[in-house]
Formats: sequence, C-alpha cells, structure tokens
Amino acid sequence: AQSVTQLGSHVSVSEGALVLLRCNYSSSVPPYLFWYVQYPNQGLQLLLKYTSAATLVKGINGFEAEFKKSETSFHLTKPSAHMSDAAEYFCASELNRDDKIIFGKGTRLHILP
Amino acid sequence: DVKVTQSSRYLVKRTGEKVFLECVQDMDHENMFWYRQDPGLGLRLIYFSYDVKMKEKGDIPEGYSVSREKKERFSLILESASTNQTSMYLCATSGRGPEKLFFGSGTQLSVL
Repeated sequence: AQSVTQLGSHVSVSEGALVLLRCNYSSSVPPYLFWYVQYPNQGLQLLLKYTSAATLVKGINGFEAEFKKSETSFHLTKPSAHMSDAAEYFCASELNRDDKIIFGKGTRLHILP
Repeated sequence: DVKVTQSSRYLVKRTGEKVFLECVQDMDHENMFWYRQDPGLGLRLIYFSYDVKMKEKGDIPEGYSVSREKKERFSLILESASTNQTSMYLCATSGRGPEKLFFGSGTQLSVL
C-alpha cells in the first residue's frame, strides 16, 4: 500500500546540534512531498515542499529537505537546533499526484539545553 | 487573509447521536479534506472532495460520511457517534496541483 513513514515518534537533540527527521514514502510515481510543523496548541504550518523541481528544497526557519528517489526518502534537516524548534513535525505526500494528501504519524522533536 | 472556518472548537456529544461538523472556506479552493488527529497516529484522512458534489474516501472512512453541496462548504457527518470517534477533527483546503494545505483551527470532539 502507498504510504508515508516517519522513523522515530520522538527525537531529542541538543541545542546547536544537527536536526535530522526521517521520512520515507511508498509510491509508484514520483510524489509531491511536504513537511509541516505543529507548535504546541497551534495549527499546522508548511515548512517546505517538493514538486519535482530542485531535489534540495529550502524552507522556513533554516530547515531543508532533500528528495532522494533511489532511497524513496525526503528527510528534513537543520544544521543547528534552536529551542524554538521544539514541536511536532509531519511529513506529507500527494503520492499519486491526484490531490489526495496523506500524512505520516509525526515526529516530536525535543531540544535539550 | 485566507480563512478556513470550522463551526465549533469544542463539541461534546452522546454515543449514538448524529453529529455534523461544518467547514467553510473563503479561498475558492477546489479541494477540501477532513482529517482526524490522534496522538501517535498523526493525521489520518477520512474523506476528501475535489469538486462540488464529488467525494472520495480517505484511509478511514468507516462511520463517517460527507456532503459538499457548495464549493465553499464541506461537512463531515458522524451518523451514529461512538466513543472511538473522540478526536481532534481538522478541515483543510488546497488549490489544484501540489499546493499547500490551509487548515482550520480544528474541532475537539468528545463522545461520551
């Protein structure tokens, strides 16, 4: 079945350390891919999206993600974590380019002082 | 400013009641979605609609139905509410193509 999988429901990193949140997809065609962030008691906000242009996508707040077709991955990274990055992050995909968007289960990012 | 409005922020219903969750958008978007968000399960797609009177089942449509009589309004219906439908319900919209989703503020439904 076509799906979006996020590895790790909780990730902890120290302030200033690299952030890496993993997302893999399963699709028969190259999908559109998104990362959303949800801060506590707030709605979802788009961080970045991949729509088959450049494979390295830059988003807001210093985040970026790289589409790797060979690995069916779209991992989210940030070189240096900040306390304000603590939130839940969702990978999402329009797997068949048919306007249907599905989400992964989310990864809660904890930032350690 | 874009707006997706869900009619209630909090809702408490009894088991067996028929429940209507309303969502209205002012962006003239074709696509509208209903998700439920549960801890540890992320957002799961219940139904979506890509045009008036059109609907498509998502991943968890059982126990739900939808209605889209006008482009701006997409209603989620729980025919006979059950306790396992206690959840945060999120409405979202998008335009055609790989556009981002615009979310409503959500309805926290409790079924007792």
